[in-house]
Amino acid sequence: DGGITQSPKYLFRKEGQNVTLSCEQNLNHDAMYWYRQDPGQGLRLIYYSQIVNDFQKGDIAEGYSVSREKKESFPLTVTSAQKNPTAFYLCASSNRLALNEQFFGPGTRLTVL
Amino acid sequence: EDQVTQSPEALRLQEGESSSLNCSYTVSGLRGLFWYRQDPGKGPEFLFTLYSAGEEKEKERLKATLTKKESFLHITAPKPEDSATYLCAVQAGRAGSYQLTFGKGTKLSVIP
Repeated sequence: DGGITQSPKYLFRKEGQNVTLSCEQNLNHDAMYWYRQDPGQGLRLIYYSQIVNDFQKGDIAEGYSVSREKKESFPLTVTSAQKNPTAFYLCASSNRLALNEQFFGPGTRLTVL
Repeated sequence: EDQVTQSPEALRLQEGESSSLNCSYTVSGLRGLFWYRQDPGKGPEFLFTLYSAGEEKEKERLKATLTKKESFLHITAPKPEDSATYLCAVQAGRAGSYQLTFGKGTKLSVIP
């Protein structure tokens, strides 16, 4: 089945640690995105990527980093510089960057202890 | 700045009681308006894309409509399994603008 997978489903981090969230898609989509969702707020864009080895900052990129070495994969690293990392993280993809529906993965819930 | 406002924040319906959810938007040249359904603890599920005023799309008990300032998601004779948070998002038509701007969602509860 085609789709987007994210792992792990739940992640716990101690303050000061970097953690990496995985996102893989087998939809052959060119574009991939990372969003953050907090209670009572809309989804906010962290980073997006149009093609391999290229990515751009979204609205809230500070404290995060990404890579796009393969078309299928777009991992997100939450660094210790992110002041409030506890949130629900969602990865999405679309088959054209300019206009098309974005399809979402199941999400990773990150909790900082 | 693009903005999306959804109302109401929460809506409780009896099973079979039809209603509508509202999504008001301000955007520099609308390229597309998207509706998603999100269940608790899960990623959003795509429902509809609307591109221009007057457009309508239907899926089972859901019907989405679009005007120049807002979109409505009409739910006809809802069932308990329609309970979820419904998200609206817009994509601007500005050159180089690729991101979606999301509203905060409407949490729908359908009571048997």
